[in-house]
Amino acid sequence: EVQLVESGGGLVQPGRSLKLSCAASGFTFSNYGMAWVRQTPTKGLEWVASISTGGGNTYYRDSVKGRFTISRDNAKNTQYLQMDSLRSEDTATYYCARHHYGYTFDYWGQGVMVTVSS
Amino acid sequence: DIQMTQSPPVLSASVGDRVTLSCKASQNINKNLDWYQQKHGEAPKLLIYYTNNLQTGIPSRFSGSGSGTDYTLTISSLQPEDVATYYCYQYNSGPTFGAGTKLELK
Repeated sequence: EVQLVESGGGLVQPGRSLKLSCAASGFTFSNYGMAWVRQTPTKGLEWVASISTGGGNTYYRDSVKGRFTISRDNAKNTQYLQMDSLRSEDTATYYCARHHYGYTFDYWGQGVMVTVSS
Repeated sequence: DIQMTQSPPVLSASVGDRVTLSCKASQNINKNLDWYQQKHGEAPKLLIYYTNNLQTGIPSRFSGSGSGTDYTLTISSLQPEDVATYYCYQYNSGPTFGAGTKLELK
């Protein structure tokens, strides 16, 4: 059974950093691209970042470029999202997701809440 | 960015009804569109990928169609467990989601 389990969320002050992790199991992690998607009540669902199978290619939405870094450790079956210079508008539930046939997301984690507030 | 407009925002229907949800892109997205179902308090779930391909394990009452800028998700016979919010998602350029259609039981 495919499982994606996020961790690392919490309350953080504006301008500070936070690192999310996503532990994968139930499939060959190194064979799949991975992604982070976030959701807020006001802006809805937003794709945040994606990473290729080997980690050599990464992609970001414009609003997080230069502030967020997606990475993965295939030996640990884990992907990460390093979030720096956090802003209030980054407050959201962050989902880890597996890519399928390009940019489709075929499995999602349960989500982790990130709140950016002073 | 490509804008995805879903309609209606809220849809009330009865068990057994045929339900059609619409999604319109601001430009041609070449069938690069998925549909996701999100039940309250849960993560989104893939229903349909690349316009009309049913994801493994999804009931056959769900189907997708469309081309160019106009796409639809159809539920042939609504079931109580289908109450959820449905999102379309395009990945032709700069991936974006629609705002969702909330499906309720009448």
